[in-house]
Amino acid sequence: DTAVSQTPKYLVTQMGNDKSIKCEQNLGHDTMYWYKQDSKKFLKIMFSYNNKELIINETVPNRFSPKSPDKAHLNLHINSLELGDSAVYFCASSHPLARQPQETQYFGPGTRLLVL
Amino acid sequence: DAKTTQPTSMDCAEGRAANLPCNHSTISGNEYVYWYRQIHSQGPQYIIHGLKNNETNEMASLIITEDRKSSTLILPHATLRDTAVYYCIVRGTRQGAQKLVFGQGTRLTINP
Repeated sequence: DTAVSQTPKYLVTQMGNDKSIKCEQNLGHDTMYWYKQDSKKFLKIMFSYNNKELIINETVPNRFSPKSPDKAHLNLHINSLELGDSAVYFCASSHPLARQPQETQYFGPGTRLLVL
Repeated sequence: DAKTTQPTSMDCAEGRAANLPCNHSTISGNEYVYWYRQIHSQGPQYIIHGLKNNETNEMASLIITEDRKSSTLILPHATLRDTAVYYCIVRGTRQGAQKLVFGQGTRLTINP
């Protein structure tokens, strides 16, 4: 059973297009995240939602818009894709309250985006 | 959150203990040390965390120095599947969403 799943696994698209990446978690967590890993392999937080509310919003272009329809889903929509958006995007989830001693984040398998 | 320093890469023979060091000299009293790893083409995976006592779980042991300025992750019997990038992360425990700040990590290669 997959804990954090992402679709699609691979996404190849042209510059200027609009695309979405979906994330779902079946862990019952109430906090979800999007991270970006660029070609140099640095992994950086983009957004975080807690109970469908935006909590963390790093310096990310307005072309990126996260949407959380419910606690189990956090989708990432990207408008007007640029070459520099090519990266691996990881979704993660956590339960920041007392179920675990401290918060542990569980990551999805990643979505490899290539913008041509 | 405190910054961490790790060696860029390490090698270890299969079956031996892999000891991965991490320096976090600016750590504050309420900050925990977390270790995650990222196996090639996969998402990061939580390994272990600790505050000041040594910790052990089914994956690894974490040794934190008395002054808490450094720590060592120990994989007691490394296997080929332990080849990955290992990240040492220091952060506090405020409630609510918390971002993980990943550095460059240590690329550990387990050799047969």
